[in-house]
Amino acid sequence: GQQLNQSPQSMFIQEGEDVSMNCTSSSIFNTWLWYKQDPGEGPVLLIALYKAGELTSNGRLTAQFGITRKDSFLNISASIPSDVGIYFCAATSGSRLTFGEGTQLTVNP
Amino acid sequence: DVKVTQSSRYLVKRTGEKVFLECVQDMDHENMFWYRQDPGLGLRLIYFSYDVKMKEKGDIPEGYSVSREKKERFSLILESASTNQTSMYLCASSLKWGSGNTIYFGEGSWLTVV
Repeated sequence: GQQLNQSPQSMFIQEGEDVSMNCTSSSIFNTWLWYKQDPGEGPVLLIALYKAGELTSNGRLTAQFGITRKDSFLNISASIPSDVGIYFCAATSGSRLTFGEGTQLTVNP
Repeated sequence: DVKVTQSSRYLVKRTGEKVFLECVQDMDHENMFWYRQDPGLGLRLIYFSYDVKMKEKGDIPEGYSVSREKKERFSLILESASTNQTSMYLCASSLKWGSGNTIYFGEGSWLTVV
């Protein structure tokens, strides 16, 4: 079946540093989504990407839909303590959503 | 903003009990989903529905059923709860199939079966 390989699995960074994480797949998708999940809460949508090559920003977050439609990355600039959480990529080519395993981000003040 | 509301955040049920998890969305979305999330296993799709009274099995439907009598409401039913159904359950909804399909999640329901 379809799989998303998300990396890194975890990151420990200092406040103020930039962060980059990515998802790759052997399958082609037409929508990529990035979510953040805080402990005990549901995933919250951060950015949605609908076109190959699309680069979209949401505040300090920037995400891109890869040209091949098989990958996507998420960057967080100037991290702050409240960026702590698990970040998931997800992708779909129609109905079902496929998820990455998540990146656990820890930000040290 | 899209709002997906799960009625119960925390539940503790006994083995063999019938359990209902309710989910309501307020954006007239066609599609609704139920996932469970477990450490090391990620998000797994239990059931989904693309229209009122319609339902499709996801990847792990065993032990569960669903009901969608109204467009805005999607219920997950555990006919006879078992301890291996202790998990976090997430409801989600999306407007339509195909390109531009964005899925929104509720806050989650933590179910403990003892």
